Amino acid sequence: GAVVSQHPSWVICKSGTSVKIECRSLDFQATTMFWYRQFPKQSLMLMATSNEGSKATYEQGVEKDKFLINHASLTLSTLTVTSAHPEDSSFYICSATKLDSYNEQFFGPGTRLTVL
Amino acid sequence: GEDVEQSLFLSVREGDSSVINCTYTDSSSTYLYWYKQEPGAGLQLLTYIFSNMDMKQDQRLTVLLNKKDKHLSLRIADTQTGDSAIYFCAESNSSASKIIFGSGTRLSIRP
Repeated sequence: GAVVSQHPSWVICKSGTSVKIECRSLDFQATTMFWYRQFPKQSLMLMATSNEGSKATYEQGVEKDKFLINHASLTLSTLTVTSAHPEDSSFYICSATKLDSYNEQFFGPGTRLTVL
Repeated sequence: GEDVEQSLFLSVREGDSSVINCTYTDSSSTYLYWYKQEPGAGLQLLTYIFSNMDMKQDQRLTVLLNKKDKHLSLRIADTQTGDSAIYFCAESNSSASKIIFGSGTRLSIRP
């Protein structure tokens, strides 16, 4: 299989606080992990691509200092939303690729962030 | 830049076929995908097709690709209530590069 989990599945925080979201590949080693955000009734927008042990590559318009990505191991990537504001409220989804699956992206279930 | 477009809504009667259409602009697209997203959940890859193929069938799913018109469709035969979801068309121009998603088509099933 190729299972990707995210934790937490939902989080509510106060404006100005930081929130960390974890993305884990449970039964495979992920060569690359991707972070997306999805606004209600809209498509997924790629935020960044990360490879284990190296700095993430951010898409244009995504603030790297606000959305910190750490890809510490082949099975774990974290996204930290720093000094969160209500406009950061969204559904954050990660995906991971593995070598022997033509680099198909396997998606996590998503994390719903609500900033009050 | 790359763009993927699809209609926002589709309503079909249970048992009928559903056809979801998608157009894309990137002529160098190599992989074209259909993903399914159920409420509050992540994305599930339903099927994909390489750009050198015209058609791919997998049980109730049939994907048609018209590369000349950059048009992709997903046909779901004998649509069931469990098929209610949002279906995203997506493309990438290599297996390792980023995937560009359409806005998603919400499929609803009526009795």
